[in-house]
Amino acid sequence: SQELEQSPQSLIVQEGKNLTINCTSSKTLYGLYWYKQKYGEGLIFLMMLQKGGEEKSHEKITAKLDEKKQQSSLHITASQPSHAGIYLCGADRGGSEKLVFGKGTKLTVNP
Amino acid sequence: EPEVTQTPSHQVTQMGQEVILRCVPISNHLYFYWYRQILGQKVEFLVSFYNNEISEKSEIFDDQFSVERPDGSNFTLKIRSTKLEDSAMYFCASRRQGAVYGYTFGSGTRLTVV
Repeated sequence: SQELEQSPQSLIVQEGKNLTINCTSSKTLYGLYWYKQKYGEGLIFLMMLQKGGEEKSHEKITAKLDEKKQQSSLHITASQPSHAGIYLCGADRGGSEKLVFGKGTKLTVNP
Repeated sequence: EPEVTQTPSHQVTQMGQEVILRCVPISNHLYFYWYRQILGQKVEFLVSFYNNEISEKSEIFDDQFSVERPDGSNFTLKIRSTKLEDSAMYFCASRRQGAVYGYTFGSGTRLTVV
């Protein structure tokens, strides 16, 4: 089955700092999804990447897909306390309806 | 912004009891899903549903589980005889037709089996 490894597992940054979260797949990526989850709550869709080299941005969050490396990175510029939460990457295998998720990266942003 | 709505937000049930978790997907979505997340663990796929039938299910989705779309708006997950290990957050998700569209998740139902 597809395994997704996220790094780091947790991250504590000062407000205003930039940060990067990585998601590496053991198999070919067909679609890579980034979600944000607040503790005990639902998953908020951030963005989806499908093509190698694709890069998308939403407000101060940018995600890239490196298909050759089977990896995606999520970059937050000038972090704010509102960015705090758990960031999850999910991938589909193509031909399957299910998403496989990584364990998540817990982000804390200190004011 | 359209939402996936789940009820109840929290349910406590006794072991062996049946529970039904309810979801109202986004109205123009055609694909429906249930996922679960045991505390501290990954979000895991349970089942996908399309055109009024199960299209894919995981090993977790055994005979104790069933899904139904009883009318044009609701999508339910039933657990026939709950076990302690069924305690988890259950998420419903839906998606439009077309690979470019992401999955929209609900806020979840926290199921506690005692």
